[in-house]
Amino acid sequence: DAKTTQPPSMDCAEGRAANLPCNHSTISGNEYVYWYRQIHSQGPQYIIHGLKNNETNEMASLIITEDRKSSTLILPHATLRDTAVYYCIASLGGAQKLVFGQGTRLTINP
Amino acid sequence: EAGVVQSPRYKIIEKKQPVAFWCNPISGHNTLYWYRQNLGQGPELLIRYENEEAVDDSQLPKDRFSAERLKGVDSTLKIQPAELGDSAVYLCASSLGETQYFGPGTRLLVL
Repeated sequence: DAKTTQPPSMDCAEGRAANLPCNHSTISGNEYVYWYRQIHSQGPQYIIHGLKNNETNEMASLIITEDRKSSTLILPHATLRDTAVYYCIASLGGAQKLVFGQGTRLTINP
Repeated sequence: EAGVVQSPRYKIIEKKQPVAFWCNPISGHNTLYWYRQNLGQGPELLIRYENEEAVDDSQLPKDRFSAERLKGVDSTLKIQPAELGDSAVYLCASSLGETQYFGPGTRLLVL
């Protein structure tokens, strides 16, 4: 599994877009980029994943660079409930294990 | 649809005592995972089941940890005897396809 690098912490104002970066320069061609988040005292929650193309769902958008060496998770209108640790993971997908790093602690400020 | 259920949510024991955690995955999910999360760290896989078969237990400390998934549904993770360093959150997850769904975890404190 490719290693990912994320900033340890970020702040964002409520109502603004939160853009969380992730570097995965050693990602292989068949590894997906997954994003999970973990709110305090809860289990990790799936957000979104993608291989090459940008993806969007009801929670977030995922922008993957053309060379696939980095990606950005976008929460378009952050709320206080989006305060959590966000994990970027490179994985072969399917039933494969997820290798979590330290993630980015995102704090949404009122 | 009910999510992954784990019990107990919290457990406090003295070192050298046994402890067991139970997980009920989402109905129909044939893959089940146990992860351990130390304070301030991301979760780490302990064991993965495909139906009843443990297909990846390379990170499970087999001298004191054991797990089972009878009938390919519920699973139990056991520690005997517990050590101080086993204090952590034990997370269960299940999947059918590309996405893993996690339970709330069991927070274990070993005194």
